[in-house]
Amino acid sequence: DADVTQTPRNRITKTGKRIMLECSQTKGHDRMYWYRQDPGLGLRLIYYSFDVKDINKGEISDGYSVSRQAQAKFSLSLESAIPNQTALYFCATRATTLNNEQFFGPGTRLTVL
Amino acid sequence: LAKTTQPISMDSYEGQEVNITCSHNNIATNDYITWYQQFPSQGPRFIIQGYKTKVTNEVASLFIPADRKSSTLSLPRVSLSDTAVYYCLVGDSTGGFKTIFGAGTRLFVKA
Repeated sequence: DADVTQTPRNRITKTGKRIMLECSQTKGHDRMYWYRQDPGLGLRLIYYSFDVKDINKGEISDGYSVSRQAQAKFSLSLESAIPNQTALYFCATRATTLNNEQFFGPGTRLTVL
Repeated sequence: LAKTTQPISMDSYEGQEVNITCSHNNIATNDYITWYQQFPSQGPRFIIQGYKTKVTNEVASLFIPADRKSSTLSLPRVSLSDTAVYYCLVGDSTGGFKTIFGAGTRLFVKA
């Protein structure tokens, strides 16, 4: 079983719709991240959370919100989706150690029409 | 956070050693250097991390000069399956660490 799972894996929606992407992890890590990836632009950090009570904005948080429902769950919401939010979204986790290793989920491909 | 600069792309042939250099002029004392690999439609995967001098694991080596303003990821005897994007990241892992991925280096290995 995968340690970091994302649902859905693919989603097509329309402009103005509210969308929630979910991430779950079984690694027991405190830190969780949401990124988006666009062709040729690498990954950009949207939000990150160091524990259930700690939520921080990343580089590109406008138009997004998050919820850390439990240590194992971190959800990303698009309150009113727009076409330029079409991208590949990744969730990642990291243990609170000296190692910078992050573990990524399989990604969610989101298309906003 | 320190920014990094890498070549946009590199080509190689199977069996060759590939060296990808990353520049991080503003690296801070507490910063580590970390490299990730990403295949299409997959999340990045951790390759190696180092602080100074040389680090080697079963996949790669990481060379860091004394001034730590750059680092070189070395992939020995690459194969077609090493075709991927490689990201260099710099950051403090002791707390408040967040990750800034650049565009990475797209390595294309030819037969």
